[in-house]
Amino acid sequence: AQSVTQPDIHITVSEGASLELRCNYSYGATPYLFWYVQSPGQGLQLLLKYFSGDTLVQGIKGFEAEFKRSQSSFNLRKPSVHWSDAAEYFCAVLGWNDMRFGAGTRLTVKP
Amino acid sequence: KAGVTQTPRYLIKTRGQQVTLSCSPISGHRSVSWYQQTPGQGLQFLFEYFSETQRNKGNFPGRFSGRQFSNSRSEMNVSTLELGDSALYLCASSLEGDYGYTFGSGTRLTVV
Repeated sequence: AQSVTQPDIHITVSEGASLELRCNYSYGATPYLFWYVQSPGQGLQLLLKYFSGDTLVQGIKGFEAEFKRSQSSFNLRKPSVHWSDAAEYFCAVLGWNDMRFGAGTRLTVKP
Repeated sequence: KAGVTQTPRYLIKTRGQQVTLSCSPISGHRSVSWYQQTPGQGLQFLFEYFSETQRNKGNFPGRFSGRQFSNSRSEMNVSTLELGDSALYLCASSLEGDYGYTFGSGTRLTVV
């Protein structure tokens, strides 16, 4: 069955530091992969998506993600984190019938 | 352009009652999906509608139902509410063939 694992429940980084959020997927075919961000009390906002082609995907707000088929990973990165990036981040894979989300990684940004 | 609109934003209901939540997708989006979000279970798929037809359904009891109207607006209904139905209910719309969902801000349902 299609699934997504986000190994880190909570990550804390200092403002200005780099960020990498991990995501591993399980899917039999070429996956459609997504990263979403959710601020408290809000819905999810799409950061970026990967369907095929270039394995390094650029998204909004300065985020990027790299698809690595050999590692079944789709990690999200940002070179310099801003305080406004504090939120919950969800990785997702498009399954046969629905979008499957990971449990999320909560990002705290220290001043 | 206007985003996905969900109403109401907050609801408090009593066990045993029923509730109807509404979702207006982005203009031109004919696919609408519903998700339940709870701290314990995370995001769980409820159902997807396209052109007034339920295309997919998640693993929820029959108390959860939905429909979509000709203008693509969607409603979901939960009957005989239980305490465990307390959650944030999220609606997402997308263009056919484009799976990058746009989510609404959700309806926070509290069952007491």
